[in-house]
Amino acid sequence: KNEVEQSPQNLTAQEGEFITINCSYSVGISALHWLQQHPGGGIVSLFMLSSGKKKHGRLIATINIQEKHSSLHITASHPRDSAVYICAPGINFGNEKLTFGTGTRLTIIP
Amino acid sequence: DAGVTQSPTHLIKTRGQQVTLRCSPKSGHDTVSWYQQALGQGPQFIFQYYEEEERQRGNFPDRFSGHQFPNYSSELNVNALLLGDSALYLCASSTPDREDYGYTFGSGTRLTVV
Repeated sequence: KNEVEQSPQNLTAQEGEFITINCSYSVGISALHWLQQHPGGGIVSLFMLSSGKKKHGRLIATINIQEKHSSLHITASHPRDSAVYICAPGINFGNEKLTFGTGTRLTIIP
Repeated sequence: DAGVTQSPTHLIKTRGQQVTLRCSPKSGHDTVSWYQQALGQGPQFIFQYYEEEERQRGNFPDRFSGHQFPNYSSELNVNALLLGDSALYLCASSTPDREDYGYTFGSGTRLTVV
């Protein structure tokens, strides 16, 4: 069993739809990162959270430490949101080593 | 404020050669981690440097080595290149300061071994 599992692996939606990407992990963590990667590009950190909920613009991330589950939501999705979204739990805050999920490939159709 | 800078952006090497990749961390960050991302795969942790020493290491052979300089910049060296070393190499910098914590990735170096 993978340490980090994301669902769905692929998601295609119409512009404006509400998007949810889920992440379950089995490792003990200090914090969990949500990352965005465009094709051929580097990785952008969207959120780092260790409890509760964080919001940045149209993006919302939640985490339930007890259930070892996190979700990333995108409201009013836009074609520019098309990318791979990666969940990455980290251990040992301060000298974190991230374990990456398989990623969710999101495509938003105009 | 510059983020993480990696160089070069692209590189083509021949099997058996050696390669050096460079990373300058974000200002204020003192820890550098290196990841390898093969095509279609998620990044895999190679190693992490802090205070000029390798602090932790992933499951990579000794052909992969690194260095951190006093200004916190870092190098990743790969010897005896194999075709399977072709990948995107990502550098990430961070700091243990919780008040200013940030795990920032560079754009990566795409290495092609032929």
